[in-house]
Amino acid sequence: GAVVSQHPSWVICKSGTSVKIECRSLDFQATTMFWYRQFPKQSLMLMATSNEGSKATYEQGVEKDKFLINHASLTLSTLTVTSAHPEDSSFYICSARATGTSGTISYEQYFGPGTRLTVT
Amino acid sequence: GQQLNQSPQSMFIQEGEDVSMNCTSSSIFNTWLWYKQDPGEGPVLLIALYKAGELTSNGRLTAQFGITRKDSFLNISASIPSDVGIYFCAGSLGGYQKVTFGTGTKLQVIP
Repeated sequence: GAVVSQHPSWVICKSGTSVKIECRSLDFQATTMFWYRQFPKQSLMLMATSNEGSKATYEQGVEKDKFLINHASLTLSTLTVTSAHPEDSSFYICSARATGTSGTISYEQYFGPGTRLTVT
Repeated sequence: GQQLNQSPQSMFIQEGEDVSMNCTSSSIFNTWLWYKQDPGEGPVLLIALYKAGELTSNGRLTAQFGITRKDSFLNISASIPSDVGIYFCAGSLGGYQKVTFGTGTKLQVIP
């Protein structure tokens, strides 16, 4: 249980284009999903918290117009990097928090495998 | 803001040795979590701690929630090559509060 998937696993795009990353909870429902960014050899930095059916809450310093987040259902959240630039190249990881406990699934965050974005 | 410092930053150990790492915070948390991240993958939850003083095990892993609520420890006994990776502590005020991640400890095991 508690499987979170991300798609794509890696993407290369040209500067100025937009990229959409999907995050899905496969075997549980997630009221809340989180988007993190991780640079090489660094820790995970929370970008935004996404609640199903409402606007995302962005951390200080994260541009909400550049990183568009949509949490349309209890199993899907998307992150769109708009007008991407080379400095946006990073490892983007989502996590999902279950709406309730079931078996081994707890209220803690379960992470996806990450998406490696490279902007050329 | 809250900061979580982990030590050591990295460590090399011989297979079969025990490992200890810790995490300290500038403020208190109500929940402590330990994750392991393999290269190019997302973190995997190892242990969750919910009460000050709590000691919890998961196989060869044991973690403790510090009495002051500002620190936590992770021990790995009889290390094996697949223990290689980066271990992150994380703290939360509990409930649906966000989680803050530590700086990470990179573990390398020499066969």
